[in-house]
Parts: sequence; structure tokens; C-alpha cells
Amino acid sequence: ILNVEQSPQSLHVQEGDSTNFTCSFPSSNFYALHWYRWETAKSPEALFVMTLNGDEKKKGRISATLNTKEGYSYLYIKGSQPEDSATYLCAFSGNTGKLIFGQGTTLQVKP
Amino acid sequence: EAQVTQNPRYLITVTGKKLTVTCSQNMNHEYMSWYRQDPGLGLRQIYYSMNVEVTDKGDVPEGYKVSRKEKRNFPLILESPSPNQTSLYFCASSLSGTGTYEQYFGPGTRLTVT
Repeated sequence: ILNVEQSPQSLHVQEGDSTNFTCSFPSSNFYALHWYRWETAKSPEALFVMTLNGDEKKKGRISATLNTKEGYSYLYIKGSQPEDSATYLCAFSGNTGKLIFGQGTTLQVKP
Repeated sequence: EAQVTQNPRYLITVTGKKLTVTCSQNMNHEYMSWYRQDPGLGLRQIYYSMNVEVTDKGDVPEGYKVSRKEKRNFPLILESPSPNQTSLYFCASSLSGTGTYEQYFGPGTRLTVT
């Protein structure tokens, strides 16, 4: 069974703080690493799909890096805002068509 | 508008009464998938489909059936629901099954089996 681990499980920060989360995944048979943002009472929405070792992607104040050789990805949020409060999910895609999700990191940003 | 739709959004049913949750996408996506979300367990894949007439088991397929007769539709069937299938279900689609394309999620179906 392939495991995708995310840490921390939850995080409380003040508005304006910068923060980062970790996603660990199997380093073999790697095809892609996905990041999704999931707000309460909504559906998950894609942030990034990363495929190459050393990849860095950015969307506004959110960025992500990828290390496929050691099997980890970091998601960074610069200057957190209350609207960034959500659960952030990562998912590993191997060569099987399956997408395996981590349990998520729940971020709460206090005004 | 490009979207994935699911019906019903909420369903309360009794043990053993067959039900179907429909999923439809209008983006001409090849890949479709079903997930369930349970507290503390994250999203777990039930079944996925790489294309029409091609379906495969995910990590938690027991008690579920799927079919993919048309590209746009991917219904989830519970032949004899049990209380441990009470969960939040999401359907998703993506351009292809290579894993290198983002998935688009439906609004979710909250199922309660009593």
C-alpha cells in the first residue's frame, strides 16, 4: 500500500504570517504530485500539478516545490490571509492511474 | 460552464436498499473517478475509469459498482448499502489518466445509511 503523508495535520497562524506544509510520497514509479485546496462545504480545487524533479510552481502568494528523488513536496503560503483558511491536500500519481491522497493539512488563519 | 455534476447531493437511505449516485462531466474528459471522504482518513479512491468501458478498482472498492458506458457519465452503484458506507462521496474527472492533469471535482454527495 502506497502512503502519502502530510504534516502538520493542522496549523493555526496569524494574518500576515508565512507558513509551509510538507507532503511525503513514494519516490518510485513517480508520475505527478498534485496539490488541492479544499474549503469547508466546497469541493477540492487544484492548485498545482507537478511532474519534474526540482519543479517550482507559483500562484499568487502560494508556491510549491518538488523533490522526486527523496519523495517530498513543500507548499508555501506567503503572508497568510483569513481567506487562505482551508484544508490543503496533496496527492501522488504513479504509473497505475490511481491518485493517492494524503490526509491533508488544515490551516486556520486568524485575523 | 465546465463542470462535474453529481446527484443527489444528499441522501438518507436504509440498509440494503439499492441506490445509484450519478456523475456527469461536460469537459470531454477521458478519466473519471469516485472518492469517499471520512473524518481522519482523507480522500480514498473507490473506482476509476481511464476511458469508456474501462474501469479499475481503487483502494476501497468493496460494496460498490461502477460503469462507464458513455464518456460523460460515471455512476456509482451501491447494490446493498450498509451503515459503514455512510460518507461524503466525490466524483472527479480529468483530461486523461496519466496523472499529469488536474482533477475537477463535483460538489459531493452526502450519504447516510441507517
